[in-house]
Amino acid sequence: QVQLVQSGAEVKKPGASVKVSCKASGYTFTSYGINWVRQAPGQGLEWMGWINTYNDNTNSAQKFQDRLTMTTDTSTSTADMELRSLRSDDTAVYYCARGDQYYESSGEVIYVWFDPWGQGTLVTVSS
Amino acid sequence: QSALTQPRSVSGSPGQSVTISCTGTSNDVGGYNYVSWYQQHPGKAPKLMIYDVNQRPSGVPDRFSGSKSGNTASLTISGLQAEDEADFYCCSYAGTYTVIFGGGTKLTVL
Repeated sequence: QVQLVQSGAEVKKPGASVKVSCKASGYTFTSYGINWVRQAPGQGLEWMGWINTYNDNTNSAQKFQDRLTMTTDTSTSTADMELRSLRSDDTAVYYCARGDQYYESSGEVIYVWFDPWGQGTLVTVSS
Repeated sequence: QSALTQPRSVSGSPGQSVTISCTGTSNDVGGYNYVSWYQQHPGKAPKLMIYDVNQRPSGVPDRFSGSKSGNTASLTISGLQAEDEADFYCCSYAGTYTVIFGGGTKLTVL
């Protein structure tokens, strides 16, 4: 079955970086994108960005653009998300989620809904 | 970019119907037929319930339906069941290769 399995919980100090991994199985990895979504404690979902696993093109929310790096390793069907310069308000559960390919009017690939989701990775930022 | 607007909570009795609204702008909800809805039980990952405004993934009961009028999308759950109690989030494509979520609605089954 289609499944995304994420790496384990992390505790980081302010200013550090964190990398979360997401291993896909049960489908052709390069036929779907991977999105990253986070959820702070008791809060709602926040879209961070996506990566086109076929050509490694990325797009991200403006607030993350200078701190977020998304990569893939097609040999292991794994997507990674690295967030730098961590602050206490980055404490959240981080999810990866598969995205089906749609095409914007420009012809660029976009991902507009997410299924399935990984189990989530808790990242705690604390001094 | 502000989150889409959802009511903080809705409630209904078993067997009843409830509707959750999701209001955006012409730049997101009103501009694209790319609204999706997610159900999230406590401590669990979100689950896709509706995509492309009104399409149901396989395995999602037909008690769940979606619609859109102008800048507002809606999720209707008919024949409420106890297991429907959860948080629900809407999501829309917002142009310029970005996506935006709603703030979430807590559904209570009385």
